[in-house]
Amino acid sequence: QVQLQESGPGLVKPSGTLSLTCTVSGGSISGSMRYFYWSWIRQPPGKGLEWIGYIYDIENTKYNPSLKSRVTISVDTSKNQFFLNLSSVTAADTAMYYCARAPGRMVSFDNWGQGTLVTVSS
Amino acid sequence: SYELTQAPSVSVSPGQTARITCSGDELPKRYAYWYQQKPGRAPVLVISKDTERPSGIPERFSGSSSGTTVTLTISGVQAEDEADYYCQSADSSDTSVVFGGGTKLTVL
Repeated sequence: QVQLQESGPGLVKPSGTLSLTCTVSGGSISGSMRYFYWSWIRQPPGKGLEWIGYIYDIENTKYNPSLKSRVTISVDTSKNQFFLNLSSVTAADTAMYYCARAPGRMVSFDNWGQGTLVTVSS
Repeated sequence: SYELTQAPSVSVSPGQTARITCSGDELPKRYAYWYQQKPGRAPVLVISKDTERPSGIPERFSGSSSGTTVTLTISGVQAEDEADYYCQSADSSDTSVVFGGGTKLTVL
């Protein structure tokens, strides 16, 4: 059974960079699951879901236009992990961050991590 | 930017039918997906491609589409169905995933 697990600092200072890792278990992101889209989605406290972006075919990325200038998503196939970097953070970036898997482009997210809360504060 | 519109809240009594709608100009041309999210939990996919129910989702959950509106219907609502429900689709150029604002279902 494929499982996703987010990890990273729970507190980031304003103007800093938010860095998160999603570890995938139960399958290889470069092997049996190489055609999936590996995504990041966030949810500010008490608010709705916002798609951040995804990576597919190891090196191709697509980002939410509203975040594109600050976001980088990358992957390390040797560790079966993918990553989120969000630069120049402000309090508005405080949110629960989820990693998720989609079986294709612009389709549903069929497997989610449990989420990790990141607070931006000095 | 493209938006999907959902009513903020819907309330029903146990055993009744809940209908949660999502409106967007691109919905006639794009599939919609529905997620259930309970407090403190990650979202769970309950309807795929407008009408398909994933394995393990109870039969009381169904989806439909008409023009620019898609509808999630929960027949015979149970207390455990109380949750936030989000629709998801894509924008006109298929460059962005878009979520609706969410609907809070309250079971009275």
